[in-house]
Amino acid sequence: GAGVSQTPSNKVTEKGKYVELRCDPISGHTALYWYRQSLGQGPEFLIYFQGTGAADDSGLPNDRFFAVRPEGSVSTLKIQRTERGDSAVYLCASSLYSDSNTIYFGEGSWLTVV
Amino acid sequence: SQQGEEDPQALSIQEGENATMNCSYKTSINNLQWYRQNSGRGLVHLILIRSNEREKHSGRLRVTLDTSKKSSSLLITASRAADTASYFCATPSRQGGSEKLVFGKGTKLTVNP
Repeated sequence: GAGVSQTPSNKVTEKGKYVELRCDPISGHTALYWYRQSLGQGPEFLIYFQGTGAADDSGLPNDRFFAVRPEGSVSTLKIQRTERGDSAVYLCASSLYSDSNTIYFGEGSWLTVV
Repeated sequence: SQQGEEDPQALSIQEGENATMNCSYKTSINNLQWYRQNSGRGLVHLILIRSNEREKHSGRLRVTLDTSKKSSSLLITASRAADTASYFCATPSRQGGSEKLVFGKGTKLTVNP
């Protein structure tokens, strides 16, 4: 596709369950970012991949959060033992290079933990 | 932590009026960007202004940057109902070992028909 694709669009899960959120970046984009956005707030950085490696995971809130990008394209954000406070929109973005000029966002995955 | 802070948090105007949103940031930057978000979904890049630029235009958008005051403003002229959205400023940050965009909390703009 032409843009960043994220699935699922919406996910409702029970507290304590495991969830995976998928991001398919724009073809050829080497840099991939995950952000989390709570209601009324701006997006907060979680993790950044350059190619296959996590170049910066300083934004991950705790060890329940993990992300992979095994082939340098699709990325999966994994959340273990979900908590109600994890409810948010999880946004993925990609850019051609890692110089932070103009990143392209997907539509996000809205996670609700009940 | 968030680098930029937008002001006001919310703005309601009538169609045809101009809307001005401000952003203040804390550290030195090489560029500042503005993004738009409809209904809490994906953000769309609007405009980038570099640190050596003072003003930039794109259609009905006008962005200014004052590096001495660490502030930027986004002006939307002749607003339309379709401009209703949240607007965020974003600046590059090198905290954590890589350069990534850090966003403010946004200004929620409502344009009434």
